[in-house]
Amino acid sequence: QSALTQPPSASGSPGQSVTISCTGTSSDVGYYNYISWYQQHPDKAPKLIIYEVSKRPSGVPDRFSGSKSGNTASLTVSGLQTEDEADYYCNAYAGATNPYVFGTGTKVTVL
Amino acid sequence: QVTLKESGPAVVKPTQTLTLTCTFSGFSLNTNGMCVSWIRQPPGKALEWLARIEWDDYKSYSTSLKTRLTISKDTSKNQVVLAMTNMDPVDTATYYCARMRVGVYDAFDIWGQGTVVTVSS
Repeated sequence: QSALTQPPSASGSPGQSVTISCTGTSSDVGYYNYISWYQQHPDKAPKLIIYEVSKRPSGVPDRFSGSKSGNTASLTVSGLQTEDEADYYCNAYAGATNPYVFGTGTKVTVL
Repeated sequence: QVTLKESGPAVVKPTQTLTLTCTFSGFSLNTNGMCVSWIRQPPGKALEWLARIEWDDYKSYSTSLKTRLTISKDTSKNQVVLAMTNMDPVDTATYYCARMRVGVYDAFDIWGQGTVVTVSS
């Protein structure tokens, strides 16, 4: 099972928006709606920010939103804040044989 | 409050077996839908899902590592154990355990702090 493809980096100025793509296949991203996104600050554990494509856990700001089209999922961070500077990973369910696959990760820089 | 904490050796030698323990609190692995996964992250690299154990003791493994992994649980101790055989320097990573609640958050909603494992002779 290959990792999902994400751009290595993305950036934006405070207040702007940034969108990160996560491309998989018709067997994972394109088939199931179990897409989640994680934020990871340096030397910290990942934190769940989006689950089931577009749902936010309680406590996650509505600046974070998710969507999916075909084999590509996307995370948008609106109104960028300095604390949004972190690595972001997508994850998809890929079926019972090899259930979960992560993305390659995207480093978001707030300029 | 839900917490998970990983423990195990910081250093293992090549060819040895690594045994990691995830001790959790605030939930029960006897609860329908509850699962615990192991996930690792080599230095400077991406996350990689390794294995999952479910409330009914169903187990699933990464296809690429399946022959080397064994996951088990001790619900009386609130622990999940991962064993990885034949360790190699490429297995050097931070190893995390994380909870999932199937049907509630079908995602890894709570993570442990991680434990760093170095494979070196």
